[in-house]
Amino acid sequence: GAVVSQHPSRVICKSGTSVKIECRSLDFQATTMFWYRQFPKKSLMLMATSNEGSKATYEQGVEKDKFLINHASLTLSTLTVTSAHPEDSSFYICSATPSGNVYEQYFGPGTRLTVT
Amino acid sequence: DAKTTQPPSMDCAEGRAANLPCNHSTISGNEYVYWYRQIHSQGPQYIIHGLKNNETNEMASLIITEDRKSSTLILPHATLRDTAVYYCIVRGNRDDKIIFGKGTRLHILP
Repeated sequence: GAVVSQHPSRVICKSGTSVKIECRSLDFQATTMFWYRQFPKKSLMLMATSNEGSKATYEQGVEKDKFLINHASLTLSTLTVTSAHPEDSSFYICSATPSGNVYEQYFGPGTRLTVT
Repeated sequence: DAKTTQPPSMDCAEGRAANLPCNHSTISGNEYVYWYRQIHSQGPQYIIHGLKNNETNEMASLIITEDRKSSTLILPHATLRDTAVYYCIVRGNRDDKIIFGKGTRLHILP
């Protein structure tokens, strides 16, 4: 199947700093990518939909100024957590849909963010 | 909101078939049933999907009732590596985003 990668796999940052997480579709082009957050023992929560060349669409309750999303190419979307706080510590997962095929969606391995 | 209901957890003996139920009584005619699973600290993995016919692939079988209000995912010979949270998802053919419910935590017992 298609491969989606995330970088870094885990990151520790200090409170007040910003951290960027990359999501790449390795062998297909993805017009649309998605960002999820998952707290321990909880389900994945959709944060936003990232569309190449346009602004991301955020789910209700997700602060767009805190979670900046950029989807500048058909294979790369980035999520920047700005002014991180300990409560932002979570498992962040991205997924990507191949262009022209909404039936398939492939997930990345996730990024574990710890804010100290 | 998730459109499906699943038991929170299930146990299955290694080597036996694992049958995971899912209720989706409000499913509409153009919505598919998808199954994903998530092994601890990994991203979700696609398993199978179907509309109304039963489906089978190398990982599992999907049995959908005739009224489409429920389905069962069958792992024919469960192994310890099948221990994971299994998510049943209803998704339209024009939908792009996937909304996850709480899933079923499947424990495979040695």
